Amino acid sequence: NAGVMQNPRHLVRRRGQEARLRCSPMKGHSHVYWYRQLPEEGLKFMVYLQKENIIDESGMPKERFSAEFPKEGPSILRIQQVVRGDSAAYFCASTLQGPGGTGELFFGEGSRLTVL
Amino acid sequence: AQSVTQLDSQVPVFEEAPVELRCNYSSSVSVYLFWYVQYPNQGLQLLLKYLSGSTLVKGINGFEAEFNKSQTSFHLRKPSVHISDTAEYFCAVRQAPDSNYQLIWGAGTKLIIKP
Repeated sequence: NAGVMQNPRHLVRRRGQEARLRCSPMKGHSHVYWYRQLPEEGLKFMVYLQKENIIDESGMPKERFSAEFPKEGPSILRIQQVVRGDSAAYFCASTLQGPGGTGELFFGEGSRLTVL
Repeated sequence: AQSVTQLDSQVPVFEEAPVELRCNYSSSVSVYLFWYVQYPNQGLQLLLKYLSGSTLVKGINGFEAEFNKSQTSFHLRKPSVHISDTAEYFCAVRQAPDSNYQLIWGAGTKLIIKP
């Protein structure tokens, strides 16, 4: 009965490289959120996806960042040409219900990106 | 627009003492309220939630929270803390119920347990 699975747990990249973070939601969940958490800060919403559809990407920088949630396979958050400011913990959360539901989120353990 | 305020960034408390972590929100409509806990180097875990009904909500690990509509608060309490409660606690709110799916998060409160 696996929960939300994120990988890799830790990722080190040099400036200019690409970071690819994966999230497998809980079984039966078709809605996924991505959040970023900087040291000593709270959660910042990035993007909300349903399978094969981006619902809201208003929290995601318009350049270098992209997200997808294909029909099959995990959701992927992709950061191109990383910069030091991208160093953070990236959390994925899934939920059973979409709009109109109670909003309870189930979180993964996060992917910690370090940009050298 | 909705917002969530956690007034205390850190709360130090002695082991076995009671604790209250404060959360205030602003909203012109009915809300759902949540408390999540984040242990070091882990993801967030739901502690408890208020959707409707009784204003006193009991959660896991001996925590409880009381929804106070007139004061727009949802403070988290535990009568006796343990060293294992050391974590960061996040309050969150969302509009209830409608198509606004967004959870609005507080900045978090670090609970520091002193032996």
